[in-house]
Amino acid sequence: DAKTTQPPSMDCAEGRAANLPCNHSTISGNEYVYWYRQIHSQGPQYIIHGLKNNETNEMASLIITEDRKSSTLILPHATLRDTAVYYCIVRVRYGNKLVFGAGTILRVKS
Amino acid sequence: GAVVSQHPSWVICKSGTSVKIECRSLDFQATTMFWYRQFPKQSLMLMATSNEGSKATYEQGVEKDKFLINHASLTLSTLTVTSAHPEDSSFYICSALAGGVGTQYFGPGTRLLVL
Repeated sequence: DAKTTQPPSMDCAEGRAANLPCNHSTISGNEYVYWYRQIHSQGPQYIIHGLKNNETNEMASLIITEDRKSSTLILPHATLRDTAVYYCIVRVRYGNKLVFGAGTILRVKS
Repeated sequence: GAVVSQHPSWVICKSGTSVKIECRSLDFQATTMFWYRQFPKQSLMLMATSNEGSKATYEQGVEKDKFLINHASLTLSTLTVTSAHPEDSSFYICSALAGGVGTQYFGPGTRLLVL
């Protein structure tokens, strides 16, 4: 599975949009981009995934560049409860493993 | 979304004893479940992949005789830490693969402290 690169940390003001970038320049054509987050002392929570089209659900939006070498997770109106470690993972859709990198620590501040 | 539970949520045991952790998919069937371990301030590390009705596949460096995994049904996988030692103290997290959409859903984790 392709490797991803994320900034180690980011800050965001409460109520503003949080834009979390992820680079995955070696992504293969059949690999999806998955985003999970982990709030302190909890199991990871699935957020969203996509292949090449932009995706949106009740939690977030996922913007994937046309060349698929990078993506951005957007939390449209961040709240204090969105403070967590966000993981960007690329994986073949029905592949077994999720390989977690260091992720991005997002701190939402009031 | 799909719900995965773990039991117990935390456990304290004496060195040398064995501890069993259960992972259940509550509203879907999971032919494949996964076990992860997370040490403080570190990311999740995959320990093993558990397939219903067959032997688990362990990641390199994970002792299969120490971490026994049983996946007896489509909704239950268990991890038994045998002869636990203080260095086994960690946060153990399971996940279940929702086959229809290929997404893994995670349990809330089990915190193990070995004294």
